[in-house]
Amino acid sequence: DAKTTQPNSMESNEEEPVHLPCNHSTISGTDYIHWYRQLPSQGPEYVIHGLTSNVNNRMASLAIAEDRKSSTLILHRATLRDAAVYYCILRRGLNTDKLIFGTGTRLQVFP
Amino acid sequence: GAGVSQSPSNKVTEKGKDVELRCDPISGHTALYWYRQSLGQGLEFLIYFQGNSAPDKSGLPSDRFSAERTGGSVSTLTIQRTQQEDSAVYLCASSLGVGKETQYFGPGTRLLVL
Repeated sequence: DAKTTQPNSMESNEEEPVHLPCNHSTISGTDYIHWYRQLPSQGPEYVIHGLTSNVNNRMASLAIAEDRKSSTLILHRATLRDAAVYYCILRRGLNTDKLIFGTGTRLQVFP
Repeated sequence: GAGVSQSPSNKVTEKGKDVELRCDPISGHTALYWYRQSLGQGLEFLIYFQGNSAPDKSGLPSDRFSAERTGGSVSTLTIQRTQQEDSAVYLCASSLGVGKETQYFGPGTRLLVL
């Protein structure tokens, strides 16, 4: 599985936008970019995923670089509840099984 | 609706004892996954089931670890002769099928081996 690189930690103030970067320079053409997050003392939860085009859902937006070697998860207005570890994961096509988690980015949100 | 449930939520055991961890997936989900998260470590895959079959057991750390799934629903992860390094949070997830986009995780079982 291709590797992803994320900053260890980031900080934000409440109600400000947050841009969480992820580098995946060895991504292959069939790799989907998935984001999960893990709130304190909880299991991970799905956030968003995409292949080539930018994606939006009620939780976040995913901006994918044209060469697909990097992507950015965008939280439009951070809340205290968004404080979590965010994981960027590559999944080879949709016929894959396990999730390979890296170390993720720990997001702190200040009031 | 009911999500993935796991029991017990916490388990303290003595080194050398066997433990069983249970996972109840979301109803109708055919794929079930076990992961573990050690203190200060990331999440690592252990095993996954499609129905009652386990096509990928590559993440099980030793032969002391085993898992089964019956009736395409409940799964049990068994750790025999527990060691202190087995202390971790054991997470279960389920999805509609293998390769489906979203895995839904349970709250985990926190295992402490003394």
